[in-house]
Amino acid sequence: GENVEQHPSTLSVQEGDSAVIKCTYSDSASNYFPWYKQELGKRPQLIIDIRSNVGEKKDQRIAVTLNKTAKHFSLHITETQPEDSAVYFCAETGGGNKLTFGTGTQLKVEL
Amino acid sequence: GAVVSQHPSRVICKSGTSVKIECRSLDFQATTMFWYRQFPKQSLMLMATSNEGSKATYEQGVEKDKFLINHASLTLSTLTVTSAHPEDSSFYICSATTGRAEQFFGPGTRLTVL
Repeated sequence: GENVEQHPSTLSVQEGDSAVIKCTYSDSASNYFPWYKQELGKRPQLIIDIRSNVGEKKDQRIAVTLNKTAKHFSLHITETQPEDSAVYFCAETGGGNKLTFGTGTQLKVEL
Repeated sequence: GAVVSQHPSRVICKSGTSVKIECRSLDFQATTMFWYRQFPKQSLMLMATSNEGSKATYEQGVEKDKFLINHASLTLSTLTVTSAHPEDSSFYICSATTGRAEQFFGPGTRLTVL
């Protein structure tokens, strides 16, 4: 619940480089932190999530880190590819399972 | 598994008319469904939370008399935009959950009000 800040709003990287997107939340009760990839006109697609009892999670080229003390979590994409280009949203939820989304990051992977 | 559908995918209507959007969980029973609105180049904003058999809970600033939500069964929720106006034009997305934190999103409905 409450607010989720997301940075940067746009990110341009060269193919093969890494991309990092950061989010900060304010609700200390938040316990679930998903990341979504959304292509234009499509539904948000869950790419990775992390729960509050875990500090880091990795799935192939994608990883998420969580710092509960500082109330921030980050998405890391390594070896970026053109098909990674999309808008990425972080989100968080505490009790009630209501998701609060970040403002989004437009990622562009250039050849 | 965990497939959510929405119908229609696109709708164009005249100002003042009402539009109904359906959200269905195809292969699971959804204890809760959520309705979001997304304007171009913006984030998803939660409009309301819907539980089967009970009244929806609307977020602050969302008019419940304008956005009617019915959740008649564990697999179907409907959103009716009443007396639609051009400013209601948006991408409406539903999601469904089994009670766990993960939400499964529908493909969205693009509403254009002329």
